[in-house]
Amino acid sequence: IQLTQSPSFLSASVGDRVTITCRASQGISSYLAWYQQKPGKAPKLLIYAASTLQSGVPSRFSGSGSGTEFTLTISSLQPEDFATYYCQQLNSYPLTFGGGSKVEIK
Amino acid sequence: EVQLVQSGAEVKKPGESLRISCKGSAYNFNNYWIDWVRQMPGKGLEWMGIINPGDSETRYSPSFQGQVTISVDKSISTAYLQLSSLKASDTAMYYCARWLPTGHDGFDIWGQGTMVTVS
Repeated sequence: IQLTQSPSFLSASVGDRVTITCRASQGISSYLAWYQQKPGKAPKLLIYAASTLQSGVPSRFSGSGSGTEFTLTISSLQPEDFATYYCQQLNSYPLTFGGGSKVEIK
Repeated sequence: EVQLVQSGAEVKKPGESLRISCKGSAYNFNNYWIDWVRQMPGKGLEWMGIINPGDSETRYSPSFQGQVTISVDKSISTAYLQLSSLKASDTAMYYCARWLPTGHDGFDIWGQGTMVTVS
């Protein structure tokens, strides 16, 4: 199953609402997770089951979707949110990641 | 604190082999499968494979099948990733991560990563 993220790069300002899309090449129900990765660090789980916020993750992050189209939304971008975001499908083997979406400061 | 701790950075020559370790602590190691993920310099995440510590069942990505071997020693809560006949293109950061294989859960705990340089 291929995952296509868009945009691959976006430039945004603190306080902006940011939306990243992840499209699956076939239906994956809600077996989708989102991760945040900062330079030199391991990825961090933000959302699983498409819309469930991982414990400790700020509520400005939210996820939605099912089937083949999913979104990650950051309601009000904070300085610490500038990072690369990846989606991942857990519906079937091989598990796969999207190509990533890098969020940079405008 | 629940954590996965990986072995340190490695520098190898082409043709050599390497085994990276990933030790779990502060949780029931048998309850979570361990995944391995590669990240080449400046690139995205690639899922390599997974092992069930309970029965050593493994699954590999077709991209890595035959190129790597995943194993586990549950007596010491440690999973391993073996890379053989190393090439320059194996230069990457390698992460382990745990997964509760109900399907809906993501990889909630990651190791700190092991940088492998082949030169």
